[in-house]
Order: sequence, then structure tokens, then C-alpha cells
Amino acid sequence: SQQGEEDPQALSIQEGENATMNCSYKTSINNLQWYRQNSGRGLVHLILIRSNEREKHSGRLRVTLDTSKKSSSLLITASRAADTASYFCATDAVFYSGAGSYQLTFGKGTKLSVIP
Amino acid sequence: EAQVTQNPRYLITVTGKKLTVTCSQNMNHEYMSWYRQDPGLGLRQIYYSMNVEVTDKGDVPEGYKVSRKEKRNFPLILESPSPNQTSLYFCASSFQRALNSPLHFGNGTRLTVT
Repeated sequence: SQQGEEDPQALSIQEGENATMNCSYKTSINNLQWYRQNSGRGLVHLILIRSNEREKHSGRLRVTLDTSKKSSSLLITASRAADTASYFCATDAVFYSGAGSYQLTFGKGTKLSVIP
Repeated sequence: EAQVTQNPRYLITVTGKKLTVTCSQNMNHEYMSWYRQDPGLGLRQIYYSMNVEVTDKGDVPEGYKVSRKEKRNFPLILESPSPNQTSLYFCASSFQRALNSPLHFGNGTRLTVT
């Protein structure tokens, strides 16, 4: 199954700076989701963007989607120490029939460290 | 409180001793799934279920079984655990079968097989 790939693998920034993480994927999708994971805990959903959307905002989060480049980015503005976590993108897939898959495939994540 | 509950949180066992990790959700979700998370490999899907009595293999199903007899429960069974199944396991659920809604995750089960 296809898998999203996050970039960079790790990112370290100062509190107050913006953090940008990227996700690339291989095949057509219905939607792309971003999740956050605090060390060893369950993932928490952040935002879902559909394939016909180009940009979405939620608080300090901004997600873009470029289906022509098969890529997405997650921007966290004015970062805080509490944003320290791993961030994952997840995608479904669209079959040749046009039907969506029932699998949500995750990338390996970007580990973000926000230094106070 | 809406949640996905996994038990146990930590489990240490020996090779070959059958075990079950339970997962329960109280949100009336149709879709449930099991993932394992390993360093450098990210999250990989083991099995998923689109509804009661409907299950399907994910990317790494070997050595695992699941059942979905009730909507709220989706246990993960390791009939004969081996050390390569040492991992962090997550159960997740979602409202819609088409996955246009977010997954809700449990807090994980850290399994060690010696």
C-alpha cells in the first residue's frame, strides 16, 4: 500500500518560530490527514484535508495540499514548547475503479522539538 | 467521555504463550483498526474492520488474528507470540467507513515478547 513520507525526519526550533513539515505520497487520494503523537502516547487527529481542497486552517495550524505534486505541508505558527511531539501524515488511496480504500496509511513522522 | 480503551497498557510475555489485547470504543464507530509502531518503520496497519463480522488484512497481518463480534470491541489475538512482535500497538476507530472522518486512537499497549 502507498505511504506518505514526512520531511524532515527531525526539526528543532526556538519557541515562537514557525515549524513547517512536509508530506509526499505516491498515488491518488481522497483525503490526507495530519496527526500528532506525544512521546509513546496515542495519536491525536489535527486536521483533515480533502483532495479537492487546497488549504485548511485550524487555530495555529495551516495545511496545504498540492495534488499535482502529491504533497502536503503542515505549518505550525508561533510554536510553543507544548508543540514538541511527532507529527504524522496519513493518506487513503483511490482505486482504479474510483472507490476509496479502507486503509489509512501513515508515514514515519517528523519529530519536532520546540526549545523554550 | 468518548474514547478508545486498550488493555493492558504494558504486557511482558514469553514466546508461544497466547495473548489477547482488548480494544473497546464507546462512540458507536463502524470502522476499527489495529496498528503497530516500531522505530524507523512508523505505524503499520495489522488488521481493520469495516463493521461487525467484517474484517480484512492490513499490511502486516502475519501472526495476528482479530474478531469483530460486537460493534464496540475489536480484540487483537496473538496465538503464538514471537520476539519480532515486540512493539507498541494502537487500536483506533472511525465513524465513517469511507475514512472521511478522523481516527480516534487508544493510548497504546507496549508488548514485550521474550
